[in-house]
Amino acid sequence: GAGVSQTPSNKVTEKGKYVELRCDPISGHTALYWYRQSLGQGPEFLIYFQGTGAADDSGLPNDRFFAVRPEGSVSTLKIQRTERGDSAVYLCASSLSTSSYNEQFFGPGTRLTVL
Amino acid sequence: DQQVKQNSPSLSVQEGRISILNCDYTNSMFDYFLWYKKYPAEGPTFLISISSIKDKNEDGRFTVFLNKSAKHLSLHIVPSQPGDSAVYFCAASAGQGGSEKLVFGKGTKLTVNP
Repeated sequence: GAGVSQTPSNKVTEKGKYVELRCDPISGHTALYWYRQSLGQGPEFLIYFQGTGAADDSGLPNDRFFAVRPEGSVSTLKIQRTERGDSAVYLCASSLSTSSYNEQFFGPGTRLTVL
Repeated sequence: DQQVKQNSPSLSVQEGRISILNCDYTNSMFDYFLWYKKYPAEGPTFLISISSIKDKNEDGRFTVFLNKSAKHLSLHIVPSQPGDSAVYFCAASAGQGGSEKLVFGKGTKLTVNP
């Protein structure tokens, strides 16, 4: 079956611009997660959704970052006034639920480059 | 403050030998541990996991060992194959707290030489 998909695969933008990154989770998965992976680091948690609501947004670095999941499926990560330090691979993952011991399935990521 | 640490950035082994990847953690609230494998330009792929109530979990060539008192876990791959060459991430979660966010280490790049 189809896995987690993310678009675009690559995004190059200029400092100060606004970007949107999209994630399509596996059908039927109620939990959705966003992570960010900088060069030489492991993925770092940003936010997760259970259904339509953001259950934990403690990983968002500041108020320039915002994510939505209006219908409980597709999610969009929005970054305002991008900075060069935002350059990273943004990973999305989904799982069946947020009960313990559910495997998270990751998408291929969106590589964001801020010039 | 790194809560999950993988102190070896890289590891090289011969095909057929055992690969041992290590991971240490500091947060005693972690109750579930996972290993992910990542190839270039792909997302991490789940490999194997272990609950804190166990000390060993085995799946084919892959075995994960957990030493709670030492806050240490390891992944054993035997026999190692060239296709195992990838970056391996250790991850942990405090699932009982209701948040399943994963905390990752920095990864260990495994190279299996033919």
